[in-house]
Amino acid sequence: DGGITQSPKYLFRKEGQNVTLSCEQNLNHDAMYWYRQDPGQGLRLIYYSQIVNDFQKGDIAEGYSVSREKKESFPLTVTSAQKNPTAFYLCASSIDSQLTTNEKLFFGSGTQLSVL
Amino acid sequence: DQQVKQNSPSLSVQEGRISILNCDYTNSMFDYFLWYKKYPAEGPTFLISISSIKDKNEDGRFTVFLNKSAKHLSLHIVPSQPGDSAVYFCAARDNDYKLSFGAGTTVTVRA
Repeated sequence: DGGITQSPKYLFRKEGQNVTLSCEQNLNHDAMYWYRQDPGQGLRLIYYSQIVNDFQKGDIAEGYSVSREKKESFPLTVTSAQKNPTAFYLCASSIDSQLTTNEKLFFGSGTQLSVL
Repeated sequence: DQQVKQNSPSLSVQEGRISILNCDYTNSMFDYFLWYKKYPAEGPTFLISISSIKDKNEDGRFTVFLNKSAKHLSLHIVPSQPGDSAVYFCAARDNDYKLSFGAGTTVTVRA
């Protein structure tokens, strides 16, 4: 089955700790994205990657880091610099980053991150 | 500042009736609009889209209308079914090919 897998479903972070959220896709998509969802707000773009070994900051990149060493994988690290990390995190992919009229984002099922 | 707004956080409709979800945007450079549907504990899934050169797109029970002059789009679901109960996100693509999302509207279809 082709799709996007995010793990874990639930994650708890202690003060001052870095945590990494996993995102793997077997859709052979070039572009991958990380979004954050907070109650009452739309999905906000954290980072995106158009191709392996390349990534760009989204609208709310501060306190986060990513890597794209493999096409299939786009892990997100929430660093201790992110002062309000509690949110629902969604990973997505698309065939390419231009989202032409016949393309769309495919999302994973998300990770809920909470601070202890 | 949110460029895509869904001002109704929730909508309750009787089974068989029409559901109308609204979405407003501020960026006149948006050229492509999408609706996503999300069930609890799942990621959003694509539902329907419309290009800015059109004013209507229909797919089965789902129709999206675009009014560019008013910077407004709407999603109509006719007839509404219990399986339509979900959160619906409106999204718009800018000229950098990035999507901006609304906050979502939770639809509850009553039997």
